[in-house]
Amino acid sequence: GAVVSQHPSWVICKSGTSVKIECRSLDFQATTMFWYRQFPKQSLMLMATSNEGSKATYEQGVEKDKFLINHASLTLSTLTVTSAHPEDSSFYICSAADVGRGSPLHFGNGTRLTVT
Amino acid sequence: AQSVTQLGSHVSVSEGALVLLRCNYSSSVPPYLFWYVQYPNQGLQLLLKYTTGATLVKGINGFEAEFKKSETSFHLTKPSAHMSDAAEYFCAVSFSGGGADGLTFGKGTHLIIQP
Repeated sequence: GAVVSQHPSWVICKSGTSVKIECRSLDFQATTMFWYRQFPKQSLMLMATSNEGSKATYEQGVEKDKFLINHASLTLSTLTVTSAHPEDSSFYICSAADVGRGSPLHFGNGTRLTVT
Repeated sequence: AQSVTQLGSHVSVSEGALVLLRCNYSSSVPPYLFWYVQYPNQGLQLLLKYTTGATLVKGINGFEAEFKKSETSFHLTKPSAHMSDAAEYFCAVSFSGGGADGLTFGKGTHLIIQP
């Protein structure tokens, strides 16, 4: 079945540094990928929709300059948390749809970001 | 606008007992409905989905859900709980069957299985 790979699975960084998270669709092409954020014991909140070859669409309240999204190919989207602060610590999950097969979203295993 | 309400942030059942996790939705157009399971520090795994057709949907691991339009509900059930079912469960709604417009999630229900 379709698989979405997310890397790294966890990362610890110092306040003020930037962190890049990768999301890859392994056996299908994903023109659209989604980035979610999940706080402890809470639901997933959609941050942005990543569109291959065009600008990402951000949800209301999500800082575009803070969370940079790049979807340069049909199998890769990246989320860069710039100038990270402790309040950015969270669990970030990506997902992608294999639109060609009409299958539902497949999720990566998430990235646990801790900013110290 | 669409939204999802999951009743009960925690549900505790005994091993072998019936599992019932409640989900109600609000959508201005016919919705597509999903149930996902999440184990600690992992992503989400699709249990089942309703798009069109039969309103009783069977999923993996013995779970099933019934779409009831009149009640705007999509409750998840399993006849007999196993210890391995302990996890976080999310109900989600989308405007497209593939979720290509992104999913709106409920707040989740933590399922606890008592031995």
